Amino acid sequence: AQTVTQSQPEMSVQEAETVTLSCTYDTSESDYYLFWYKQPPSRQMILVIRQEAYKQQNATENRFSVNFQKAAKSFSLKISDSQLGDAAMYFCAYRSATSGTYKYIFGTGTRLKVLA
Amino acid sequence: DTAVSQTPKYLVTQMGNDKSIKCEQNLGHDTMYWYKQDSKKFLKIMFSYNNKELIINETVPNRFSPKSPDKAHLNLHINSLELGDSAVYFCASSQGLAGAQPQHFGDGTRLSIL
Repeated sequence: AQTVTQSQPEMSVQEAETVTLSCTYDTSESDYYLFWYKQPPSRQMILVIRQEAYKQQNATENRFSVNFQKAAKSFSLKISDSQLGDAAMYFCAYRSATSGTYKYIFGTGTRLKVLA
Repeated sequence: DTAVSQTPKYLVTQMGNDKSIKCEQNLGHDTMYWYKQDSKKFLKIMFSYNNKELIINETVPNRFSPKSPDKAHLNLHINSLELGDSAVYFCASSQGLAGAQPQHFGDGTRLSIL
């Protein structure tokens, strides 16, 4: 069974600085998808970025980028020029590309604090 | 024009009561989910329906009964509420049974049992 591990329960970053949130996963599959979700205090779950495992190029969305290391099964999220609005819980998630497995598997989350 | 909407947003009730949470999505997705998020923020899948068919049923007490009258709705009924049911419940939807499509979440329903 696949698992997703976020080893940092909490991280802090100074405003305008860069922070990296780590995520590792365990799978025997070769084709899958990875996601980062953000949950601000408003409680809403918002998709930040996603990565297809078959793509070597790291996904980027404005200030958010990932470092996808398939061999190491690592999927870290880098937030550049951190803003106060980035303060939230961040969840890493995995989904198989194989039809019939259905589930999204979430990590336990990392709480990011942004210091003014 | 909210994509995934849950009602109510807050639910405070006594132990032993029966309550329902409703979820509707207007994204045209064929798959819907219920998650429970506990006080430590751990997100646990409870159920998933695809085209009104149950496809995921995790180890959840049978006091919890999902109902999907159509593809756009997935309601959650809870009987004989217990203190441990206090949590935030999220509804989500996605398109397809596998693949890159992300889930879209509702705003959550905070259930508090007195």
